[in-house]
Amino acid sequence: NAGVTQTPKFQVLKTGQSMTLQCAQDMNHNSMYWYRQDPGMGLRLIYYSASEGTTDKGEVPNGYNVSRLNKREFSLRLESAAPSQTSVYFCASSDTGGRAEAFFGQGTRLTVV
Amino acid sequence: GENVEQHPSTLSVQEGDSAVIKCTYSDSASNYFPWYKQELGKRPQLIIDIRSNVGEKKDQRIAVTLNKTAKHFSLHITETQPEDSAVYFCAASSSGGGADGLTFGKGTHLIIQP
Repeated sequence: NAGVTQTPKFQVLKTGQSMTLQCAQDMNHNSMYWYRQDPGMGLRLIYYSASEGTTDKGEVPNGYNVSRLNKREFSLRLESAAPSQTSVYFCASSDTGGRAEAFFGQGTRLTVV
Repeated sequence: GENVEQHPSTLSVQEGDSAVIKCTYSDSASNYFPWYKQELGKRPQLIIDIRSNVGEKKDQRIAVTLNKTAKHFSLHITETQPEDSAVYFCAASSSGGGADGLTFGKGTHLIIQP
């Protein structure tokens, strides 16, 4: 039982490049989330997917797109990376039918130069 | 939307003493309040949570209290140990089940002095 798995762990991009962060969970959770963490800012919600087939904007969605590929997988895409998107990105999942604990992936440290 | 304020940003206590971290929230519809611990370079992990129909919850050395009227909740750690050193985040969710995500405070860096 791996929980929530994110790839890659580290990435350096040049301004204007694109990339996709991958996330998969094996806990049969309905809801999945993408957060970004910046020093002194806590974790801020980028996008979420309450259930398979739905996605919604969170607090800081600009510059990002998401895809809920199936119940297990939720990807985050940066179409044209900017230095302001340098951050640590966390994927998370939770079971909305009962317990609400959010389980986090190990994080992706992204640097945009 | 929801806004969560967390204080203090840094807390230094002597080993064996108690630590208290406080959070306030703005949305009276919020009904689920988890606390996460994040060690350096690691992912956040849930340590305790409380729902709005409960005023206090304990788990060994950790307790959380909730005052719905004042819209604030607190984390209490007793008999602190070196392994308690970490960043702690409070959060609030209005969906109860977390379906629309959590709003986090900015974190408290807890330092346990030997």
